[in-house]
Amino acid sequence: DAMVIQNPRYQVTQFGKPVTLSCSQTLNHNVMYWYQQKSSQAPKLLFHYYDKDFNNEADTPDNFQSRRPNTSFCFLDIRSPGLGDAAMYLCATSTKTNTDTQYFGPGTRLTVL
Amino acid sequence: QKEVEQNSGPLSVPEGAIASLNCTYSDRGSQSFFWYRQYSGKSPELIMFIYSNGDKEDGRFTAQLNKASQYVSLLIRDSQPSDSATYLCAVNEGYSTLTFGKGTMLLVSP
Repeated sequence: DAMVIQNPRYQVTQFGKPVTLSCSQTLNHNVMYWYQQKSSQAPKLLFHYYDKDFNNEADTPDNFQSRRPNTSFCFLDIRSPGLGDAAMYLCATSTKTNTDTQYFGPGTRLTVL
Repeated sequence: QKEVEQNSGPLSVPEGAIASLNCTYSDRGSQSFFWYRQYSGKSPELIMFIYSNGDKEDGRFTAQLNKASQYVSLLIRDSQPSDSATYLCAVNEGYSTLTFGKGTMLLVSP
């Protein structure tokens, strides 16, 4: 089945220790997104790629970086995680059509100790 | 500042009743509208989308859009306990990005 896969599902890191979250997709969608979602809050878009074009949201902290080496994979790097970065990180994909329906992966729950 | 507003709830309905979830948005240029369901600790799951004014039905779900009033709603008929979740409204302004509301928690009691 075509899907969006995120690894790991749960990640525990220490304050200030870099962490990388990964997302892969078999949908062959050309747009990939990273969201941060904290408890009882709306998903907050961090950045998205339209093919190789990177689009950073204005309020995304510099601590967050992303890489998309090919169509299928996208990575979220948190260079120096703080306690406030503990959240669910969601990857989503879409095609560039007038629907722009986004399909989400299962998410990675990040804990910062 | 683009905003999508939802009542946080919880909205409590008995099993078999109709649940009505509402959403308003601020950007008149918004073009497409989505409803996602999110169970606690899980990722959002697409329920349906709507682009045109009026109603769109899919099984027990009906989405309603009124662009003049900047209002979109989701009706769930014959509500089941398994429908208990947070329902996220999301709005697309046509640039591949979505603005999400904070969601409405729905509780369906047996």
